[in-house]
Amino acid sequence: QLVLTQSPSASASLGGSVKLTCTLSSGHSSHAIAWHQQRPEKGPRFLMKVNSDGSHSKGDGIPDRFFGSSSGAERYLTISSLQSEDEADYHCQTWDAGMNVAFGGGTKLTVL
Amino acid sequence: EVQLVESGGGLVKPGGSLRLSCATSGFTFSSYSMNWVRQAPGKGLEWVSSISSSGAYLYYAGSLKGRFTISRDNAMNSLYLQINSLRVEDTAVYYCAREISQYNYETSGAGPLDYWGQGTLVTV
Repeated sequence: QLVLTQSPSASASLGGSVKLTCTLSSGHSSHAIAWHQQRPEKGPRFLMKVNSDGSHSKGDGIPDRFFGSSSGAERYLTISSLQSEDEADYHCQTWDAGMNVAFGGGTKLTVL
Repeated sequence: EVQLVESGGGLVKPGGSLRLSCATSGFTFSSYSMNWVRQAPGKGLEWVSSISSSGAYLYYAGSLKGRFTISRDNAMNSLYLQINSLRVEDTAVYYCAREISQYNYETSGAGPLDYWGQGTLVTV
């Protein structure tokens, strides 16, 4: 079964950096994922697609402060130079050719 | 500018029906697969359904099959979701989202979602 696991919460200091993790279930470690940002009371916003080789492709207007990477079954989103506007929920999403879409539970990021 | 605008949500009694709509603009609608995703209050995102660019391929989350029907009108650049026999647990914000194709054949529910609407609230 295609499952994504995320930590429920994370925190980091204003101006600092944070690395969020999304873990693919066993047998799915080659899957690409997408990261989405959801600010309070807003719809999600696509940030980037991250491939198993660590390459990534960003959505329109996503600043260089957002960076994607991979290691094994883990996919990462690193945000540097944290700003107050980065305080949001971050969701990872994956899919397979079997027409199955899955989301992680989301990570709530607090900027201190 | 790509825009997706949902409508049709509201307060409905259990057992009732609703038809959600998603009006789109700023891109060639008929070239993209589209998805519905929902979010219950205080919860994460849950994929509901997808439809391929021509409407030939429709897919649903396993737990939702039978009560939900996705459709599209490429002439009107619009996506729809019919929900029947509504249950309290269907209460959620429903989002429509565009899908980036990952394969060189027509399919859906098989790629990252790159544009989202602002959502429409369904309360049962």
